[in-house]
Order: sequence, then structure tokens, then C-alpha cells
Amino acid sequence: QSVLTQPPSVSAAPGQKVTISCSGSSSNIGNNYVSWYQQLPGTAPKLLIYDNNKRPSGIPDRFSGSKSGTSATLGITGLQTGDEADYYCGTWDSSLSAGPVFGGGTKLTVL
Amino acid sequence: QVQLQESGPGLVKPSETLSLTCTVSGGSISSYYWSWIRQPPGKGLEWIGYIYYSGSTNYNPSLKSRVTISVDTSKNQFSLKLSSVTAADTAVYYCARVPTHYDILTGLSHPLYYFDYWGQGTLVTVSS
Repeated sequence: QSVLTQPPSVSAAPGQKVTISCSGSSSNIGNNYVSWYQQLPGTAPKLLIYDNNKRPSGIPDRFSGSKSGTSATLGITGLQTGDEADYYCGTWDSSLSAGPVFGGGTKLTVL
Repeated sequence: QVQLQESGPGLVKPSETLSLTCTVSGGSISSYYWSWIRQPPGKGLEWIGYIYYSGSTNYNPSLKSRVTISVDTSKNQFSLKLSSVTAADTAVYYCARVPTHYDILTGLSHPLYYFDYWGQGTLVTVSS
């Protein structure tokens, strides 16, 4: 059972927009920055978003992040078939198990 | 461009110790924190622990009693040892870099909470 809660799957058509939610608590998302990772099939995770809404160099602006309270959201616009992947949110948890924590992952299907 | 590469046995027997090494190229291991993360087949990501280049460590409490992470700055490598493994430890093991914040006031460095460079991962199967 993951500390952060994500929907198991989302889907949308090419060209459309999709959002993926990530829910936590005051000990993690509520008081820390959120990051997002894209994991294409058979590959390592890749950093998409850090500090809630910042994109590393090379990440297109089709990808965006936001945070409100104890939840965060990843948005992807102009969906492409190449965006089909698993997406994970991550943050720091300040509870007894202090350290990085992840969501369970969301499988994005581009129909 | 920083690159990380995991290496080590792909098969470990139950009750034995899993040992992996991550070699960092394209940059120095100094001034950063470095982490191990694993992913059981078909499941999500689990943070194992991290180490600062100076040697200070922090481990996931759920694995702390079995985990040792060490660093060799002369070889630009850091390593993972996980003892008393069972089938539940079968996973793809990733090494990753942790960006670091230097606090000028205290002179201390702190790991940020995200991972900006990852190795390709190595599958370790625990089986007799």
C-alpha cells in the first residue's frame, strides 16, 4: 500500500488533455514539494516535474504540475501515443518513516 | 551528462546478501546524495535509502535492519547490500542521484526530495 494515492489508470484520445491526481496528507504533500516521474514501458523512471510545477530542461511544456493542500495534479496536454506510460508522484514524508515516498502509479492509455 | 549504471548478480539465493554497485560517469559523485530505489515486477517504486558522498546515510525504516549503503569516491561508485533476502526482495533495482541543498547559515547539506538522474535498472531475482 503506497503512502500517496493515485488512480490506477486514466485514458484519453490523442490531442486531448488528461490529469492525474496524487493524494497524500499533511505529513507529506501538505508540507513538502511534489515531483512527478514518467516510466515508459521497460525503462527507468524519468523526472518530469519537481518543486510542484517546475520542469527539468528538455521536458516539453505540455507537462505541468500543481499542488493544493494535500493533493497534487499532473496535467498533460496535446496527448501523443508516445505519452503512454506509467506516471508516479513523489514527495518527502516527515512522519516516523521520514524519507522519500511515492504514489502507486497511474497507467496512462492514449486511445 | 551524468550517467548511472548498476551492476551485480541477477540471481541471489534466499537468506543470502544482495550486492549491487552503481557507477557514476559524466560527473563527480562529490557534493550530492545518491540513492537506491527498487520496483518489484508489476508494482510501484520503493525508496531503499541514500548516502551522501561523505558517507552519511539514511535508510527506509522498513528495510533499515537489512540495508547497508556505502560510497567509494575514488571510483565514483556507491553500493547497496541487502541481507537475508527473500522472494519479496525480487525487483528491478535502480540507482539515482538526489539533488542537494547547501545551507550557507549552517554549513550543512540536505538532500532534496526528488531524483533527477536514474540508472537503467537491474533485475535481481531471489530464488534457489
